[in-house]
This record gives sequence, structure tokens and C-alpha cells, in this order.
Amino acid sequence: QQQVKQSPQSLIVQKGGISIINCAYENTAFDYFPWYQQFPGKGPALLIAIRPDVSEKKEGRFTISFNKSAKQFSLHIMDSQPGDSATYFCAASGSAAGSARQLTFGSGTQLTVLP
Amino acid sequence: EAEVAQSPRYKITEKSQAVAFWCDPISGHATLYWYRQILGQGPELLVQFQDESVVDDSQLPKDRFSAERLKGVDSTLKIQPAELGDSAMYLCASSLRVPAYSGANVLTFGAGSRLTVL
Repeated sequence: QQQVKQSPQSLIVQKGGISIINCAYENTAFDYFPWYQQFPGKGPALLIAIRPDVSEKKEGRFTISFNKSAKQFSLHIMDSQPGDSATYFCAASGSAAGSARQLTFGSGTQLTVLP
Repeated sequence: EAEVAQSPRYKITEKSQAVAFWCDPISGHATLYWYRQILGQGPELLVQFQDESVVDDSQLPKDRFSAERLKGVDSTLKIQPAELGDSAMYLCASSLRVPAYSGANVLTFGAGSRLTVL
């Protein structure tokens, strides 16, 4: 059961451009939404995260936009750089009665930033 | 900077053989996770420990997979017998004790163990 749907599967942007990756979730119990960045041969690393009580969070060139009513959130990378080329995963975490809090990941977006 | 240690980094085995992966989480992290990541897909949770106790193993194929964290520190994931479909990256992650009903799951992942089953 895919609870977090991510798109696009791959994305190519020019250096200096804006990269946008979208995710949608189904479970209204989710209350924490991180984005992870993964380079080849490495484990995913936390990039930025948001809670549903805010609509936007910005850290440097990375911004999460959150739409609670639509159950959607997105990652925007401003002034994309070749070093940003990696796979990006959205994730969601929540707690339902009787279950442990855990992260559910999207399927990933492979970003390539051309020099 | 504290890291999650995993070994081996790469493992090639023939089907029906046994394989084992080891993980040493960040010191003080009570929660430990094993994820499986098939090439081109997102990580999928196999098992979650809080200290030495399993809190979720609902996605662990228990007929062939086992996991333990006997002293609540390092952990071992075993597959016996391995099947072709088990070829994947096995990721270990750890976090501080996760509150039951709210709070962030800030996971730190290891570099993973890549398994190839021939």
C-alpha cells in the first residue's frame, strides 16, 4: 500500500533553475513530513522537514510548501546546482492507535542538474 | 560527526545461502530501524526496535528474515535462505527515542549493505 506518492520519477534542470518535486499522502494521521537526499552509494540524509501547522518552511535554497487540505507537499530547490544532483525522497510519519511512529517514504525523484 | 555503522558494505551470495548484516547505531539512539531499498524505489521498513524490543515487524518476511538487538545497542539482520528477489540495499537507521504520539522521527541512516543474490 503506497501511502506517499511522489512525482516526477526523474527531473533534469539547468544550473540556476528551480527544481520542484511533489508528494501526496493519504493518511490524515501523518504529522511530520521530512525530505531526504541520497547520493549514490550512500544512505539517505535528512534535508529539511515540516509540520502541518505551517504552510512553508525555508532553509537556504530549499523550501517545503505544505497544503494540508489537499494533502500535498512539495520541495523547491532554488538556484539548483550540479552538486544537488541526487535522489530525493519525501516521507511522512504519524501515529495511529496501537502502532509505532515510523517513516513511510515516497518512491524517489532522481534529480540531475546540468552545468 | 556520529555515524551509523553497517557491515558488510557489499555481499554477493548464491540463492539458498544464509546472509547476515550488522548495524551499530549512533550512541544513545534508542530506536533502530532496518529498511530495504530496491533499486529505483524508496526505503521500505522491515523492522523497528525500541531498545531491545521489536515494536513493528509487520513487513518482515518472517519465514526467512530475522532481526535481533539483544542488548539494545547493535543489531543483526539475517536472511536464510536468500532468494533472488532479496537483492537490494539493506539500510539501518537510528534515532533518539521516538515519542509515541507526536514528535519528529529524525532518522540517521548508515551507508547500507548492498546484497546481490545470484
